[in-house]
Amino acid sequence: DTGVSQDPRHKITKRGQNVTFRCDPISEHNRLYWYRQTLGQGPEFLTYFQNEAQLEKSRLLSDRFSAERPKGSFSTLEIQRTEQGDSAMYLCASSLGVTAAVSYNEQFFGPGTRLTVL
Amino acid sequence: DQQVKQNSPSLSVQEGRISILNCDYTNSMFDYFLWYKKYPAEGPTFLISISSIKDKNEDGRFTVFLNKSAKHLSLHIVPSQPGDSAVYFCAASVAQGGSEKLVFGKGTKLTVNP
Repeated sequence: DTGVSQDPRHKITKRGQNVTFRCDPISEHNRLYWYRQTLGQGPEFLTYFQNEAQLEKSRLLSDRFSAERPKGSFSTLEIQRTEQGDSAMYLCASSLGVTAAVSYNEQFFGPGTRLTVL
Repeated sequence: DQQVKQNSPSLSVQEGRISILNCDYTNSMFDYFLWYKKYPAEGPTFLISISSIKDKNEDGRFTVFLNKSAKHLSLHIVPSQPGDSAVYFCAASVAQGGSEKLVFGKGTKLTVNP
């Protein structure tokens, strides 16, 4: 399977605990995105990486959230001191980004990590 | 302020008929539009896209129409099949010189009845 993978698929934690999610993008994709989806809403942008550089962060990403993409391959999203409002589906997507030959490359999503904070 | 709006939370059609899903946007900077399909407990699956320089893009049973002056796009599915039943998200992006982050609508749940 050469698609985007995410681990774990489900995470239940108690308020105040730290959690970490992992995303493995499609191997040749240099752009990696994190989104969050809550019930009844579409996915909302959190942050993105071009290779290993984190180039943009949404104001939704409070200082309790941190994302990394060491070596420009997989990425991790950590939430510290989780709150009940953090309960959501966390989605990772990857793309080739804009190239000289192609003006746009679609983003491909992983299956998501569903976080429940009790 | 929602920049991408899908005003119909749900749509029900008969198998074999046409499904039309609508989407409106407010940001004139958007230059690329996409439709994603989502089944429960799965991530969104890319369906079809259109650049702002075009007004129509077709891929098999799926056609997307873009009306820039009205800031409106629609997805037509013909003929509709029960397997098309899912939540459909409209998304928009600023493709040039930016992150290409996607701005999504809230989705429309399509039910195709046999």
